[in-house]
Amino acid sequence: DADVTQTPRNRITKTGKRIMLECSQTKGHDRMYWYRQDPGLGLRLIYYSFDVKDINKGEISDGYSVSRQAQAKFSLSLESAIPNQTALYFCATSDAGQANYGYTFGSGTRLTVV
Amino acid sequence: AQSVTQLGSHVSVSEGALVLLRCNYSSSVPPYLFWYVQYPNQGLQLLLKYTSAATLVKGINGFEAEFKKSETSFHLTKPSAHMSDAAEYFCAVSMNRDDKIIFGKGTRLHILP
Repeated sequence: DADVTQTPRNRITKTGKRIMLECSQTKGHDRMYWYRQDPGLGLRLIYYSFDVKDINKGEISDGYSVSRQAQAKFSLSLESAIPNQTALYFCATSDAGQANYGYTFGSGTRLTVV
Repeated sequence: AQSVTQLGSHVSVSEGALVLLRCNYSSSVPPYLFWYVQYPNQGLQLLLKYTSAATLVKGINGFEAEFKKSETSFHLTKPSAHMSDAAEYFCAVSMNRDDKIIFGKGTRLHILP
């Protein structure tokens, strides 16, 4: 099993619908992150969480919300999806004591909003 | 705020030729620097990292990068390109061990037969 699992892998949804992307990890890491990837723009941080009670906005949080249900689970929600939220979404984790060791990434969720 | 700039959104090299992917960073304090690789339909994988130890950092798959403070650069190199190196490469920076990682916009590497 993968260390960081994202579900679903692919999703097509309609404008205005609520959708949740889920991320779970078996690394035992404290920190979890949600990024979106768009062609030519790289990865941009949406939200991050340093522990279960700590949630922080990233650079592009508008239109998104998150929930850290447990140390191992971090969900991203789009309350009312819009077409410009079509992107590849990645969850990542890191160890609080070794943040400079980099992140472990999931395989991504490809979301299309029509 | 810290940032990274990757020069060239697409780079093409012939198989067996030198690979050079350029990255310049902006940071007010000594940064942590990373290179990640993304193969098609996959997540990002850490290639190598600079964490203020040796300035020449060796990573996986024969890649290496050199931290040059005077040039604020962290370019990625590989002496001889393989077809399997075709992927997108991201340079990234973090201010310190507790900060977030900021990614560049990526460079797609094409290997010509």
